[in-house]
Amino acid sequence: AQSVSQHNHHVILSEAASLELGCNYSYGGTVNLFWYVQYPGQHLQLLLKYFSGDPLVKGIKGFEAEFIKSKFSFNLRKPSVQWSDTAEYFCAVNEGSNYKLTFGKGTLLTVNP
Amino acid sequence: GAGVSQTPSNKVTEKGKYVELRCDPISGHTALYWYRQSLGQGPEFLIYFQGTGAADDSGLPNDRFFAVRPEGSVSTLKIQRTERGDSAVYLCASSFGTSGSNEQFFGPGTRLTVL
Repeated sequence: AQSVSQHNHHVILSEAASLELGCNYSYGGTVNLFWYVQYPGQHLQLLLKYFSGDPLVKGIKGFEAEFIKSKFSFNLRKPSVQWSDTAEYFCAVNEGSNYKLTFGKGTLLTVNP
Repeated sequence: GAGVSQTPSNKVTEKGKYVELRCDPISGHTALYWYRQSLGQGPEFLIYFQGTGAADDSGLPNDRFFAVRPEGSVSTLKIQRTERGDSAVYLCASSFGTSGSNEQFFGPGTRLTVL
């Protein structure tokens, strides 16, 4: 069975710092990769996704992620975080045409003003 | 509504009782999913519907859990003889089509507490 690892449980940054959240997955075939975000008191929403093409994908709110197939990774980045980025971030993967998402445990990001 | 809605938002019940959790997907979305999120974990897949039929129920933990979607829209997740270990947030999601790359839109969840 596939699995997703998010190595950082809780990340604390100051505003304007750069962000990189790690995500690794176990499946060796064709995958679709997602980053979801959950702001305090809100539901999960999609930040960005990769399914084919350019391995560097850009999402909402200045986030981007790079798919590195050889490393089974899909790390999330943002060059300069804001206080409003405080949230929990989940990496998720499914296999090819399979709809079933497997999520990581999430990373809580706290941005101090 | 514009998004996926779930009711109730919170449910507290006693061990051994029966509960029903409701999901109203985005209009026009044919695919509907249930996930369960325990404390400190990411969501875990439970069941998937395409139209009225459960196309994949491989994530249901045991036969106490059952879900229906009789008219291809609203879905109900049913839990019999609840146990304390069933306490979690139950999430519903829907998507337009079932391609693996389709975005799944999530509802706010139902927080179930079994005393």
